[in-house]
Amino acid sequence: DQQVKQNSPSLSVQEGRISILNCDYTNSMFDYFLWYKKYPAEGPTFLISISSIKDKNEDGRFTVFLNKSAKHLSLHIVPSQPGDSAVYFCAASAPGTASKLTFGTGTRLQVTL
Amino acid sequence: DTAVSQTPKYLVTQMGNDKSIKCEQNLGHDTMYWYKQDSKKFLKIMFSYNNKELIINETVPNRFSPKSPDKAHLNLHINSLELGDSAVYFCASSLPAGDTQYFGPGTRLTVL
Repeated sequence: DQQVKQNSPSLSVQEGRISILNCDYTNSMFDYFLWYKKYPAEGPTFLISISSIKDKNEDGRFTVFLNKSAKHLSLHIVPSQPGDSAVYFCAASAPGTASKLTFGTGTRLQVTL
Repeated sequence: DTAVSQTPKYLVTQMGNDKSIKCEQNLGHDTMYWYKQDSKKFLKIMFSYNNKELIINETVPNRFSPKSPDKAHLNLHINSLELGDSAVYFCASSLPAGDTQYFGPGTRLTVL
């Protein structure tokens, strides 16, 4: 039972354009959401997070949007840069679960010149 | 200066062997984790320790035994390795519950 889903395994975007990565979840108890970025042969690196009390969080070129009614979140990267090419994982946790993160299967983003 | 380190980075071994993976963090975090990323790239939590105490123990075969000698170290020992144990294992750490987790570089385990 996959509670966090990233339905697009890959995405290709031109440099300078906006990248939009999507994530859906099924567990209504999730209240904290994170995006991680992963380069080959490295561990995931924290990118940005959002609490369920907010619907938007911004950090430089990265913005995460949360739509609780749709159980959907998205990561916007603008403008996209070649160094953004990586696998992006969405993760979620529920209160009282001792920081147990449930991850999606990732979306591979390729930013082309 | 590496924040979360794992050794070895690669581990190739035969079925039936026993092996250990070590993890150390120098971030001063209280909580450490082990994750498994399988061939489908699905990253799933296995264990979590807070101040040397086990707090998360997912449905993992008891051939897997985590050991935390102190709060900066969380090692993973695997007995009687099976082909299905082949995966990348990631260690992570965080401040107490709810905070961002910082991951190590991973250990690629291949069981032949």
